[in-house]
Amino acid sequence: DTAVSQTPKYLVTQMGNDKSIKCEQNLGHDTMYWYKQDSKKFLKIMFSYNNKELIINETVPNRFSPKSPDKAHLNLHINSLELGDSAVYFCASSQWSGGAMEYEQYFGPGTRLTVT
Amino acid sequence: AQSVAQPEDQVNVAEGNPLTVKCTYSVSGNPYLFWYVQYPNRGLQFLLKYITGDNLVKGSYGFEAEFNKSQTSFHLKKPSALVSDSALYFCAVRDPNTDKLIFGTGTRLQVFP
Repeated sequence: DTAVSQTPKYLVTQMGNDKSIKCEQNLGHDTMYWYKQDSKKFLKIMFSYNNKELIINETVPNRFSPKSPDKAHLNLHINSLELGDSAVYFCASSQWSGGAMEYEQYFGPGTRLTVT
Repeated sequence: AQSVAQPEDQVNVAEGNPLTVKCTYSVSGNPYLFWYVQYPNRGLQFLLKYITGDNLVKGSYGFEAEFNKSQTSFHLKKPSALVSDSALYFCAVRDPNTDKLIFGTGTRLQVFP
């Protein structure tokens, strides 16, 4: 029973291509996130959705577009991929608590994106 | 700006010995603090958190952390390390202005048999 799942696990593609990463959680959480972990393991949030509404939108290129069709899913579409987009992308989920994030986040296994 | 620092890139400890992974924070207001562990090629796993209450927080796999307000620290500890504890450990703090989690740079724990 995977709590937070991501597909694909590995993604190798060429510069200029468009790709998508899918995320699903079966924990009943109402908030989902996308994080980027670079080669030095530095982890930074990109986006967050609460009940399908965008609540955190970090300064990322607008080539990155998240989409949340429902509370259990948060997908990440990336247009015109660049070499610098190579990283591991993690999806996570948590339960929002009246506007204060006190609950732990549950992370997916990650998608390793390699742009050549 | 809110921040969290993990001053050690790597901590080495012999199996059976106590371990400490350090974390200090800077945040306005009351801090919400978290520790996560990342095993190779895996996502982060939650270990423990401090929101309020007792300064000593117990978490998964025998880990605990001590919240020290005067030193603005939240060090992760375990009385007796296992080789299987070897992993990357992240401290995180909630930014009260944005509700984002701010992660530290991570500390690699290596436990030697």
